[in-house]
Amino acid sequence: GDSVTQMEGPVTLSEEAFLTINCTYTATGYPSLFWYVQYPGEGLQLLLKATKADDKGSNKGFEATYRKETTSFHLEKGSVQVSDSAVYFCALSGGDYKLSFGAGTTVTVRA
Amino acid sequence: NAGVTQTPKFQVLKTGQSMTLQCAQDMNHNSMYWYRQDPGMGLRLIYYSASEGTTDKGEVPNGYNVSRLNKREFSLRLESAAPSQTSVYFCASSGLAGGGELFFGEGSRLTVL
Repeated sequence: GDSVTQMEGPVTLSEEAFLTINCTYTATGYPSLFWYVQYPGEGLQLLLKATKADDKGSNKGFEATYRKETTSFHLEKGSVQVSDSAVYFCALSGGDYKLSFGAGTTVTVRA
Repeated sequence: NAGVTQTPKFQVLKTGQSMTLQCAQDMNHNSMYWYRQDPGMGLRLIYYSASEGTTDKGEVPNGYNVSRLNKREFSLRLESAAPSQTSVYFCASSGLAGGGELFFGEGSRLTVL
């Protein structure tokens, strides 16, 4: 079945550091890929998405490119802020009304 | 803009007790979902409803039942709670067939003693 594997955390960074969170997937067909973010005490919210190979999703300074050849969708941000501290989830949709989520990566940014 | 509303936000149960988690969305979405979130395991799908009048099992349905009461409401019932059901439960909805963007509620933290 469809599945997502993302790098384990926790990740601790200083402000203005570069952030990368790796995500790889296994799926039949051509899934859509997503990054969701969960701030403390809140539900998940969509950060960005890509629906086909080579698409780049971007939002709030975060970017991720759908790489079909490496089955990856790594999340990057060039200069993180304290407000980026959150749990980040990679997810995929295989077109059957369901999303499959990775385990989540906790990111803490120190001032 | 309420979005997805879940109640209660916190609940403590004793083993064997029953309870229902309520979820309502005001975005006219067709699809609704119940997930549980456990440390190190991400979100796992319990049940989903692709459209009003239909429900289907997800990854971890055992010990749960659901009701799609109408297009707005999707409830999750624990008939006989077990400590293994201690978790944070999230309801979500989606307006696009095939998954698309999910909109989540704030979560319900359930502890079973």
